[in-house]
Amino acid sequence: EPEVTQTPSHQVTQMGQEVILRCVPISNHLYFYWYRQILGQKVEFLVSFYNNEISEKSEIFDDQFSVERPDGSNFTLKIRSTKLEDSAMYFCASSSRGLGANVLTFGAGSRLTVL
Amino acid sequence: DAKTTQPTSMDCAEGRAANLPCNHSTISGNEYVYWYRQIHSQGPQYIIHGLKNNETNEMASLIITEDRKSSTLILPHATLRDTAVYYCIVRVTTSGTYKYIFGTGTRLKVLA
Repeated sequence: EPEVTQTPSHQVTQMGQEVILRCVPISNHLYFYWYRQILGQKVEFLVSFYNNEISEKSEIFDDQFSVERPDGSNFTLKIRSTKLEDSAMYFCASSSRGLGANVLTFGAGSRLTVL
Repeated sequence: DAKTTQPTSMDCAEGRAANLPCNHSTISGNEYVYWYRQIHSQGPQYIIHGLKNNETNEMASLIITEDRKSSTLILPHATLRDTAVYYCIVRVTTSGTYKYIFGTGTRLKVLA
């Protein structure tokens, strides 16, 4: 069964450092998403991406965050200058269509720990 | 904000059916109801979705009321591995774009 692959599975970084989380969505999918989950809290929407641009972003997704699909297969989330409160699980998801039934497939997540 | 409300937690005996309710009273006519689950901190796992009719797959059944304001996810024979947080999600549409907002879900504990 097709999977969404995320790397790294766990990253530890110092506050203020840049972090790039990588995702390989399912190959024929066109819509891409990032979510995050702070330990013990709910899964929060960060950003959606379609046709090489951001479709929508949440208030969490401030100027420190950016997304990119650099080569047609990878979908990356960059945090420019990490803060302690960025420590969380980050989940990438993709889907094949926007209208109608639109099942998101999630990756296993990348755990980010900011020290 | 999530467009769904669910009980915070439920227990179910192993081997029995687990019935997880969800209210989505503001759902629009063409929006689907999706169910996912999350085991520990793993990525949310898709279970099932439906529009109007009841649906069944190898994991679960989904019963949607005729007015579509609520639904119930049924795990017919719950096992210990079904212990997870279950999320009922209705897509949120704003300015022509779509996003899926997770609520707090129902924490299902399957008891031996």
